[in-house]
Amino acid sequence: TQLLEQSPQFLSIQEGENLTVYCNSSSVFSSLQWYRQEPGEGPVLLVTVVTGGEVKKLKRLTFQFGDARKDSSLHITAAQTGDTGLYLCAGQRGTSYGKLTFGQGTILTVHP
Amino acid sequence: EAGVAQSPRYKIIEKRQSVAFWCNPISGHATLYWYQQILGQGPKLLIQFQNNGVVDDSQLPKDRFSAERLKGVDSTLKIQPAKLEDSAVYLCASSRQGDQPQHFGDGTRLSIL
Repeated sequence: TQLLEQSPQFLSIQEGENLTVYCNSSSVFSSLQWYRQEPGEGPVLLVTVVTGGEVKKLKRLTFQFGDARKDSSLHITAAQTGDTGLYLCAGQRGTSYGKLTFGQGTILTVHP
Repeated sequence: EAGVAQSPRYKIIEKRQSVAFWCNPISGHATLYWYQQILGQGPKLLIQFQNNGVVDDSQLPKDRFSAERLKGVDSTLKIQPAKLEDSAVYLCASSRQGDQPQHFGDGTRLSIL
């Protein structure tokens, strides 16, 4: 059973388009993180959201944590070829002391 | 600061053989994690150390996997004997403390023939 469900699993778009990736769970998380992973490399942390309803922006990327802290979304505006990669959400539960549960990831391909 | 170092980068072995991976965390990071990432999936935590003690190994297949962090710095993960389903990327991560951001190494890609 996947604790964190990401959708879509695959996304293929043209440069300049907008996209949204979703991360959903039936469980409450104390924080949720988004990572980007490129082939042959480890995941790199993009953002951590901790407060229900929180919205964070990182240049063209907008991250939102659901009010109930069970879901999150990543929106990319005007995608660029450099955004291509695997996007992972990961949740940390209140008592887990650092233990992260990852979603299965969304593979994003941005075509020129 | 130097990142998390892992070696080897690639390893190919036959099933039933043994293999070991090494990880050197970022200096000063007390918490170290080993993850298994099967192709097409997100990383799955295998074991978490706080200094040289185990915090969580609930998802470690203990009949064949073992890990140690004897001096609270670098760590090794061993598989003995390997099975076909162990083919994956093994990622090491570290953080200053358990509730701090995790920094990942580039992983070891293991192929079992």
